Amino acid sequence: DIQLTQSPSFLSASVGDRVTITCRASQAISNYLGWYQQKPGQPPKVLISAASSLQSGVPPRFSGSGSGTEFTLTISSLQPEDFATYFCQQVKSFPLTYGGGTKVEIK
Amino acid sequence: QLQLQESGPGLVKPSETLSLTCSVSGDSISTSRSHWGWVRQPPGKGLEWVGNIYYYGRSVYYSPSVQNRLTISVDTSKNQFSLMLMSVTAADSAVYYCARHIAYTPFDSWGQGILVTVSS
Repeated sequence: DIQLTQSPSFLSASVGDRVTITCRASQAISNYLGWYQQKPGQPPKVLISAASSLQSGVPPRFSGSGSGTEFTLTISSLQPEDFATYFCQQVKSFPLTYGGGTKVEIK
Repeated sequence: QLQLQESGPGLVKPSETLSLTCSVSGDSISTSRSHWGWVRQPPGKGLEWVGNIYYYGRSVYYSPSVQNRLTISVDTSKNQFSLMLMSVTAADSAVYYCARHIAYTPFDSWGQGILVTVSS
């Protein structure tokens, strides 16, 4: 199974801050990685697929990069509506797996 | 617009079978591009993929953590897919989501989720 290690697990930041979340895979997965945002009481919402492709309707302050085993999600200027939990997921092979999540809270 | 909706009991007794259904609207469940899955999330914890079914390719995939207890199936006449998890324990308590994805991409459409508690 492919393990995903996400860091940090918790992040405290202010509106306007640049935020970076890292996801490391236990083996190479090319660019078969997605990022989700989840708010309390809601299902996850996909932000990025194929490591760096922004989903339709997602603000351009979100960006993804990486390939192989190391990936990042960057929020260039944190907005109030961005305070949420973020997860990465590998979709290269079954079993599909997720990172442990990063909770972004207001400083 | 694609919509998914989970249904089933909110409370299941230990050792019994959990049965959930996902009703799909806005797309055919037998389409060649869509893969259908279940993801669960214990309260306050992370996401866990449970299993997938790809009806067009007649394929099912299960998480190793539940594969001996899990069956996922499709009912094309109702445009639904279902989860049956046998011999449940408290560790199976979670919000269960049904979702859709295209091969090698993340889940792009989700149901709202259904909270299932395993308790006597």
